[in-house]
Amino acid sequence: GAGVSQTPSNKVTEKGKYVELRCDPISGHTALYWYRQSLGQGPEFLIYFQGTGAADDSGLPNDRFFAVRPEGSVSTLKIQRTERGDSAVYLCASSLRQGDEQFFGPGTRLTVL
Amino acid sequence: GESVGLHLPTLSVQEGDNSIINCAYSNSASDYFIWYKQESGKGPQFIIDIRSNMDKRQGQRVTVLLNKTVKHLSLQIAATQPGDSAVYFCAEINDMRFGAGTRLTVKP
Repeated sequence: GAGVSQTPSNKVTEKGKYVELRCDPISGHTALYWYRQSLGQGPEFLIYFQGTGAADDSGLPNDRFFAVRPEGSVSTLKIQRTERGDSAVYLCASSLRQGDEQFFGPGTRLTVL
Repeated sequence: GESVGLHLPTLSVQEGDNSIINCAYSNSASDYFIWYKQESGKGPQFIIDIRSNMDKRQGQRVTVLLNKTVKHLSLQIAATQPGDSAVYFCAEINDMRFGAGTRLTVKP
């Protein structure tokens, strides 16, 4: 595609529910990144994939967060037993290779009530 | 851990003036930096990048300066326009670390 796309653009859920956030990277980009951005803060790294494998998941806050990229293209960020503190904008980015310029999607705004 | 940070959280300038946004980093091994612009409700947008083998890089109306001795980056925007109003982040790409950002407001 022309750019990184993310769906949904907005997600409202209740505390304790499970959510999935989807990212479609730029075609041909091997590296894919997930970030979380709270209001008034910079993006906070969560995880990045090189191809299908999670090369660095050190930013995932706890084991309620999980991400997959089974075919090396689309990625899904999964959050179990959501908490109000998970409310944030979740940004996805992709780059041709790790260490190259990252192109960001518009983000998914998650609100946990 | 080491992190990227910014000196000022907000900057207000008059239209037509030049703007300078600063960023400090602490990882001396950092070798690739990007400045991003983020408008409300949108994802960060690439402005300009610089690698550690350079001190200065210029784009259209923007210049990035890198001082490795003091581990400092700056973004200079010439003839700032209202459309430049946004939050600006510097990012250390290898560590995937962003600063908190500086909000630039341009007064007409």
